[in-house]
Amino acid sequence: SSELTQDPAVSVALGQTVRITCQGDSLRSYYASWYQQKPGQAPVLVIYGKNNRPSGIPDRFSGSSSGNTASLTITGAQAEDEADYYCNSRDSSGNHPFGTGTKVTVL
Amino acid sequence: QVQLVESGGGLVKPGGSLRLSCAASGFTFSDYYMSWIRQAPGKGLEWVSYISSSGSTIYYADSVKGRFTISRDNAKNSLYLQMNSLRAEDTAVYYCARLNDYGDHRFDYWGQGTLVTVSS
Repeated sequence: SSELTQDPAVSVALGQTVRITCQGDSLRSYYASWYQQKPGQAPVLVIYGKNNRPSGIPDRFSGSSSGNTASLTITGAQAEDEADYYCNSRDSSGNHPFGTGTKVTVL
Repeated sequence: QVQLVESGGGLVKPGGSLRLSCAASGFTFSDYYMSWIRQAPGKGLEWVSYISSSGSTIYYADSVKGRFTISRDNAKNSLYLQMNSLRAEDTAVYYCARLNDYGDHRFDYWGQGTLVTVSS
């Protein structure tokens, strides 16, 4: 199945902007979805499709895509945004692999 | 509100079997694809399997193909994962998630997970 690669860790100053990327061949054909996971909790969907936010997700979260790369941007990061973030995408074989995950630290 | 509650986890010896269940409520279960996703201790998320709304289409990750079987009972609003020939590397929290295929695919609701430990 296809692989999705993410940077292991990024940090951002409180109130600043951070972009998390996800690379993989399947992203040329399908949009990614993005999940936030805090310690000891189940993941939560934050972005899907071209740039859609589920109800209750703050508008500081946004998504974009170009070629084989999908991005999740947090504009004006808050302390509560510190978490692990995973991308996911279907591939042409029916699999739905997750990215390797990015740990976001808010300084 | 949508609720997914997993059960059936526990300690099992290598080579053993376990059956996980996921009870769904708050939505029309028979209208949605469902999936199992797992997370080994301290590791990332790993998609395991999904099943279409009718049960006619099923996919598995290569790591579990031939050992795990996903199924559903729409009359009981329940999803299952039969796990056979378990290995130490199958130790993980197993999440049940709704795979929303209306438009772009996404896992829009998750259960809290059930822990499976494979150890002698």
